[in-house]
Amino acid sequence: QSVLTQPPSASGTPGQRVTISCSGANSNIGGENTVNWYQHLPGTAPRLLIYDNNKRPSGVPDRFSGSKSGTSASLAISGLQSEDEADYYCASWYDSVNGWVFGGGTKLTVL
Amino acid sequence: QVQLVHSGAEVMKPGSSVRISCKTFGATLGSNVLSWVRQAPGQGLEWMGRIIPFLGAENYSQNFRGRVTITADESTNTAYLELSNLRSDDTAIYYCAMGYAFDVWGQGTMVTVSS
Repeated sequence: QSVLTQPPSASGTPGQRVTISCSGANSNIGGENTVNWYQHLPGTAPRLLIYDNNKRPSGVPDRFSGSKSGTSASLAISGLQSEDEADYYCASWYDSVNGWVFGGGTKLTVL
Repeated sequence: QVQLVHSGAEVMKPGSSVRISCKTFGATLGSNVLSWVRQAPGQGLEWMGRIIPFLGAENYSQNFRGRVTITADESTNTAYLELSNLRSDDTAIYYCAMGYAFDVWGQGTMVTVSS
């Protein structure tokens, strides 16, 4: 059971907009802590998609966006493409354990 | 361009210890944060701990406290993860990641624990 809760799966058709949620608590996502999002294709290195809730590293398309409100965060992917099919993870610092925690991951399927 | 290069796959016996490495290229290890994250088969990502050489600081996940040690050799830009008292459920891919936000990841080292 992960400290941060994500839906286990999500799906969409090419061109659609999909959102993935990440729910936490005051001592992680809430308060001063920020949320990062990662894309992971099996057998490859995970990739940072969003940091500090809504910032994109260079090279990440603007189809990917992040937001945070209270103790929850969301990743939105617009103009869905087949290559977006992957596992997506949120992560946040967790004050109570003085460490990072990840969500359980969401498997995105492009239909 | 920052690259993290892992040491090779390991097969270990239960109860033994493993030490794996992550060498950084294109960035100075001593000026950065270096974390270790693992993924067991069929499971999600799990943060194990981090080292911040320029602060002389380390943080470890409570899930591994007492069994994990992270060190950094700044002269060779190489970070190490040592995990002791291995169990079968430590079988996983172990990734190093550089940066406060895990900005850059290595390809991972597969560690298999089997009798």
